[in-house]
Amino acid sequence: QLQLQESGSGLVKPSQTLSLTCAVSGGSVSSGGYSWGWIRQPPGKGLEWIGYIYHSGSAYYNPSLRSRITVSVDRSKNQFSLNLNSVTAADTAVYYCARGAFGYKPPYFDYWGQGTLITVSS
Amino acid sequence: DIQMTQSPSTLSASVGDRVTITCRASQSISSWLAWYQQKPGKAPQLLIYKASSLESGVSSRFSGGGSGTEFTLTISSLQPDDFATYYCQQYNSYSGTFGQGTKVEIK
Repeated sequence: QLQLQESGSGLVKPSQTLSLTCAVSGGSVSSGGYSWGWIRQPPGKGLEWIGYIYHSGSAYYNPSLRSRITVSVDRSKNQFSLNLNSVTAADTAVYYCARGAFGYKPPYFDYWGQGTLITVSS
Repeated sequence: DIQMTQSPSTLSASVGDRVTITCRASQSISSWLAWYQQKPGKAPQLLIYKASSLESGVSSRFSGGGSGTEFTLTISSLQPDDFATYYCQQYNSYSGTFGQGTKVEIK
């Protein structure tokens, strides 16, 4: 059974960089045809797609966040990561990592991590 | 960007009711639509993909329909475990936009 687990600092200061990692078990980030994505949810609000990446390293980002995001994949550690720089309070959210369904671009997401709350505050 | 609009925002229903949630796209997305269920404090769970295909392991109480710009999620007979928030997501265009969500509450 595929499992995804987010990890990272829960509290980030304004203007700094938010860094999250998603560890994948029960499957491989090197599996062709799947993508690996990030979605966030501000407290009490809806879902926002952030971006996704393939094992090849090809990444696709939400245009509204593109200038601040980097998504990368580490095949040796079977994990992928999100960096979001110049954060503000508006970036406070639960961040989910997820697997993009096989063969779709953009994907829908068939497996999700449990999510991690990131708070931006001084 | 393609905008996704769900209606209603909140739906009050009783156990055993048949309920339908609508999701409208600002332009045609063919059948590239998914539905998710989210319970408080939990990650979303995929219910339906390609507008009407039921994800493995999901109850047959759930069904999806539509194409183009208008889509529906129907729960045939609402069960206590179905009280949750439901989201649609288009995956036709570059950005896989989500709808704003529909909360299904106990009447």
